[in-house]
Amino acid sequence: GQQVMQIPQYQHVQEGEDFTTYCNSSTTLSNIQWYKQRPGGHPVFLIQLVKSGEVKKQKRLTFQFGEAKKNSSLHITATQTTDVGTYVCVLYGNKLVFGAGTILRVKS
Amino acid sequence: SAVISQKPSRDICQRGTSLTIQCQVDSQVTMMFWYRQQPGQSLTLIATANQGSEATYESGFVIDKFPISRPNLTFSTLTVSNMSPEDSSIYLCSVIPGGGTEAFFGQGTRLTVV
Repeated sequence: GQQVMQIPQYQHVQEGEDFTTYCNSSTTLSNIQWYKQRPGGHPVFLIQLVKSGEVKKQKRLTFQFGEAKKNSSLHITATQTTDVGTYVCVLYGNKLVFGAGTILRVKS
Repeated sequence: SAVISQKPSRDICQRGTSLTIQCQVDSQVTMMFWYRQQPGQSLTLIATANQGSEATYESGFVIDKFPISRPNLTFSTLTVSNMSPEDSSIYLCSVIPGGGTEAFFGQGTRLTVV
């Protein structure tokens, strides 16, 4: 089945710095979702991207879907300590396929 | 949206025993799933719980080890059978309400097998 590779596995940033995580697929994706999982918590839906080249913003978070629909990114501007957690890209079809996730730690 | 009550939140079990995890949803949903999250790892789908029929298991997971019940559209159970320390993990149920694409998760069950 379809899979996504997510990088980096882990990133530790200073508060106020930006953060980006990337998801890449060898095949064209119909859509991609992003979830956030806080330490000790369960995944929480952030957004779904469907259209080629789509860009969506949620406050300091910017989500992009590549023109070829084979990659996606999540960018956080000026990270805060509340951004700590694991950000996971997910393929949605008749079931969800989770990427490995990027663990974000923020130093204050 | 959907609110899921998952029980128990955690348990410590002896090897060789079984544990049944319950998920109750506040609305009727067709799509319901069970996941395992091993320490430091992402979520792995165990099976799709089908109402009125046998669950659909992913590769590497079998019914004898992880029997699932889905008696109606608001409730499901996952049993972890004949447990070994390798089964120590977090187990989560999830639903996707009809007409939507967003998944909602239970709070998870943290299982430790000793």
